[in-house]
This record gives sequence, structure tokens and C-alpha cells, in this order.
Amino acid sequence: EDKVVQSPLSLVVHEGDTVTLNCSYEVTNFRSLLWYKQEKKAPTFLFMLTSSGIEKKSGRLSSILDKKELFSILNITATQTGDSAVYLCAVSFNSGGSNYKLTFGKGTLLTVNP
Amino acid sequence: NAGVTQTPKFQVLKTGQSMTLQCAQDMNHEYMSWYRQDPGMGLRLIHYSVGAGITDQGEVPNGYNVSRSTTEDFPLRLLSAAPSQTSVYFCASSLNRGGGYPDTQYFGPGTRLTVL
Repeated sequence: EDKVVQSPLSLVVHEGDTVTLNCSYEVTNFRSLLWYKQEKKAPTFLFMLTSSGIEKKSGRLSSILDKKELFSILNITATQTGDSAVYLCAVSFNSGGSNYKLTFGKGTLLTVNP
Repeated sequence: NAGVTQTPKFQVLKTGQSMTLQCAQDMNHEYMSWYRQDPGMGLRLIHYSVGAGITDQGEVPNGYNVSRSTTEDFPLRLLSAAPSQTSVYFCASSLNRGGGYPDTQYFGPGTRLTVL
């Protein structure tokens, strides 16, 4: 069964800390891995990763993919209270036929305390 | 651009009733999806479409129907609502990069559905 597993499920840190969120996957016909941030509304896109070892960076957030070990990490440095959210990992894959779809992990709830 | 819009924002149904959740996008995206989100379950794919006239099932399609007559609209129909369908429903769209796969998905604001 194709699946995406995120860890930890929840995390509480203090402002200024650095956090690492993990996402492992087991899918056939992998195409890409995506990270989303969800506050109390719809998810918003952070990164899409398709190649191993190439870091994607946006401000204090960065992410990297390891296609050999089938995992990705999302790093957030110098955390702020505005980083508090659920972080979702999703994998795009072909489940048969010519079309691809996304499957999501359950998310990591990050709480950043002042 | 309005992006992805969903109506209604909230809905309460009685068991057995039917209804349609509306989703529209004005970005000329070919790929559209419906997800449901339940506490502790993440997002689960219900149905998706890679273009007008083409739909396929996701992980949890039972009890739901979709159709895609235009590029812009992708309605989700609940045939006979059940309490297990109480959830938050998100519609999403993305460019279809020529291979039938979703690129960066843009999500609508969601519909919170309660079935009594």
C-alpha cells in the first residue's frame, strides 16, 4: 500500500529554535514530493522536490529529498510564532494508467511559543 | 484572479439528503482534485480530474460522484449523506504538466460539512 509517514506528529518549541520535520514515503512510480503549510484554513504550497540532494530554500525554510532512502526533511531555522501550523507532506505518484495523484501524510503540528 | 473558490462555506445536512459542493477556478488549470480532511487523518483524495471530461477515483471515493464538463468547474456530489461524511472538504487545482500529474496545487478555502 502506498503511504506517506510524517514525524513527529506534533512538536512544541521556543522562538528562535531550529526544527526538522521528517517525511518518509513508500510509493511506486514516484514523481515528486511536496510540502504544504496549513494554518487554520487551506494548505499553502511551500516546496516541490523532484531530484535527490538539491536543497530548496525560501527564507528560513529549506527542504531536501533523498530518493534512495525515500525521505525528505523540512528545516525551519530561527522559528517564529507565525511558523505555528500543521506542515503537510505529499507525494505525487502514478497508481496505474497514465495519470498521477497526490497522497498526503497526516501532518506535523508545530507550535512555537514566545 | 479569484483563484479556487468553493461554495458553500458551511453546510448542515440530515442523513440521506443529497447535495453538491461547488468548486471553480479561473486559472485555466486542467488538474483538479477533491480532498476531505478529518482530525488526525491528513488530507485524503476523493476524486480527481486531469481535464474536462476525465475523472478518476482517489483513496475514498465511496458515496461521492464527480463530473467535469468544463475546465473551470469540478462539483462534488454527495448522493445520500451519512454522518461518516462529516468533514472539511477542500478542492484544489494545478497545472497539468502534460503528463496527467499534479504540479503545485492551489487549494480553495474549504467547505465544512456536518451530517446529522
